[in-house]
Amino acid sequence: AQSVTQLDSQVPVFEEAPVELRCNYSSSVSVYLFWYVQYPNQGLQLLLKYLSGSTLVKGINGFEAEFNKSQTSFHLRKPSVHISDTAEYFCAVSDLKYGNKLVFGAGTILRVKS
Amino acid sequence: DTAVSQTPKYLVTQMGNDKSIKCEQNLGHDTMYWYKQDSKKFLKIMFSYNNKELIINETVPNRFSPKSPDKAHLNLHINSLELGDSAVYFCASSHWGAKETQYFGPGTRLLVL
Repeated sequence: AQSVTQLDSQVPVFEEAPVELRCNYSSSVSVYLFWYVQYPNQGLQLLLKYLSGSTLVKGINGFEAEFNKSQTSFHLRKPSVHISDTAEYFCAVSDLKYGNKLVFGAGTILRVKS
Repeated sequence: DTAVSQTPKYLVTQMGNDKSIKCEQNLGHDTMYWYKQDSKKFLKIMFSYNNKELIINETVPNRFSPKSPDKAHLNLHINSLELGDSAVYFCASSHWGAKETQYFGPGTRLLVL
């Protein structure tokens, strides 16, 4: 069965500092990986996704993530965060065996301080 | 021009009542979902419909009954509401396929008293 572990429940960081949000997954087959962002009292919005090909994926708002098959990781990074990046970030996995079923991690709250 | 919309946005009700949440998407997708987000923000799929056919049913109590009158609508009816049903319920839609991006609605905040 698929599972996703987000290693940090909260990440505080100062504005303009770099940030990395960690995500590890487990699945028995080839996977597709997603990062979603949830701003307060809103629905989820896709940041980026990895399907195949280049392991470095670029998304919206300056975020990028790197797929590492040997470490079963898909960490999210941003070189310089803004106050407006304060939100909760969810890593998710799907695979061909389970079709459209998207399994989410527990989320990481990114708090950007001035 | 909202892509995925849900009504109502907030729902406060008493234990034992029956309530419905409606979802509509105008993205031309053939697959729709219901997710439950609990108080710890953990997000879990409940149901998935493809072309009005139930595809995923994740060990949800049978007090929850989804209905898809057409590909653009997926409603959720909940009978005999319990305190533990308090959560945020998200509707989502996508094209069929594990690679496809799911687009989420704004959520319905259900509070059972």
